[in-house]
Amino acid sequence: GAVVSQHPSWVICKSGTSVKIECRSLDFQATTMFWYRQFPKQSLMLMATSNEGSKATYEQGVEKDKFLINHASLTLSTLTVTSAHPEDSSFYICSADSPAYNEQFFGPGTRLTVL
Amino acid sequence: GEDVEQSLFLSVREGDSSVINCTYTDSSSTYLYWYKQEPGAGLQLLTYIFSNMDMKQDQRLTVLLNKKDKHLSLRIADTQTGDSAIYFCAETESGGGFKTIFGAGTRLFVKA
Repeated sequence: GAVVSQHPSWVICKSGTSVKIECRSLDFQATTMFWYRQFPKQSLMLMATSNEGSKATYEQGVEKDKFLINHASLTLSTLTVTSAHPEDSSFYICSADSPAYNEQFFGPGTRLTVL
Repeated sequence: GEDVEQSLFLSVREGDSSVINCTYTDSSSTYLYWYKQEPGAGLQLLTYIFSNMDMKQDQRLTVLLNKKDKHLSLRIADTQTGDSAIYFCAETESGGGFKTIFGAGTRLFVKA
């Protein structure tokens, strides 16, 4: 099956700094990637839908200026958490759709801890 | 809006069958999924079912879909300790784009 990677897998940063998380589809082209956030012991919350070459579509309640998404190519989407605060600490998971496989493939997730 | 609901916990003995239930609200769902998440890891797709199917079996996994009641279940036969994880039910919205709505997840405990 198709593989999606995320980098970094774990990041700790100071409050006020910005953190960039990369999501890559390794062996297929993904026209659409999704960014999810997962709080401890809770489900995944869809943050935004990222389409290659166009602006991301954010879900209600997600600050687009806080969570910057760039889908620069068919294999790479990035999520930048700007001016991170402790409440942004979470597990961020991306996924990429593959029409060829007719399903989404998830990355392994990035654990962000903001001190 | 769309909603997916699951019970939060399930505890079974090793060797028994586990049944995890899920209800959803979007009557036009196209695909319904079961994902497994082990501690600190991402999601692993276990199986999925098209909305025009009633049942799908894949080795120890059996998925049942009752479209009338909007009820989906996952049965794991001969449950093993390695099956202990969180299981998420999910459905895709109508309209394509694979936007997926997840349930809160059911934490399965398998007792030896």
